[in-house]
Amino acid sequence: GAGVSQSPSNKVTEKGKDVELRCDPISGHTALYWYRQSLGQGLEFLIYFQGNSAPDKSGLPSDRFSAERTGGSVSTLTIQRTQQEDSAVYLCASSFKTGYYEQYFGPGTRLTVT
Amino acid sequence: KQEVTQIPAALSVPEGENLVLNCSFTDSAIYNLQWFRQDPGKGLTSLLLIQSSQREQTSGRLNASLDKSSGRSTLYIAASQPGDSATYLCAVRRDGANNLFFGTGTRLTVIP
Repeated sequence: GAGVSQSPSNKVTEKGKDVELRCDPISGHTALYWYRQSLGQGLEFLIYFQGNSAPDKSGLPSDRFSAERTGGSVSTLTIQRTQQEDSAVYLCASSFKTGYYEQYFGPGTRLTVT
Repeated sequence: KQEVTQIPAALSVPEGENLVLNCSFTDSAIYNLQWFRQDPGKGLTSLLLIQSSQREQTSGRLNASLDKSSGRSTLYIAASQPGDSATYLCAVRRDGANNLFFGTGTRLTVIP
């Protein structure tokens, strides 16, 4: 079946602009995660959604970052007033449920802030 | 805070060799551990998932072991092939946490 998909695959934006990154999880997966991979920091957790529960936002680095998940499926990560340090690969993952289950990752969105 | 370390950072081996990648974590209160591979410019591909109650998992030429009490996991790759060249990442899910904590990765090169 189809895996996790993300769009766009690459995004170049000017400092100060807002960007939206999209994630389509595997059908039937109730848990969805956003991570960020940057050269200096490795892979770090951003936010987690599970069904209709309140999201775990503990990894968001600043209030410029937000995410939503509509209808328990597609998720959008929004970065407002982008900064150069936001440049990274943003990875989305999903799992059947939380806890016991494997996380499956999408191909990522490479964000470059100029 | 959970810290995950992978040694070595890079490894080159000739084709056909067996090899072991190491992963250590500081907090042994983990729920499970997952090994991934990442090819350049790509996302992560899940290889093996080991629950905290398990000692090992096998998939084809791959075998992952887990020693929770000592905070260690190893990924054994048998009869390595050039197609195995990639960065290998281990990640742990701590008890009570929703997310994975990732290691820094081991970049493997298998020389034909």
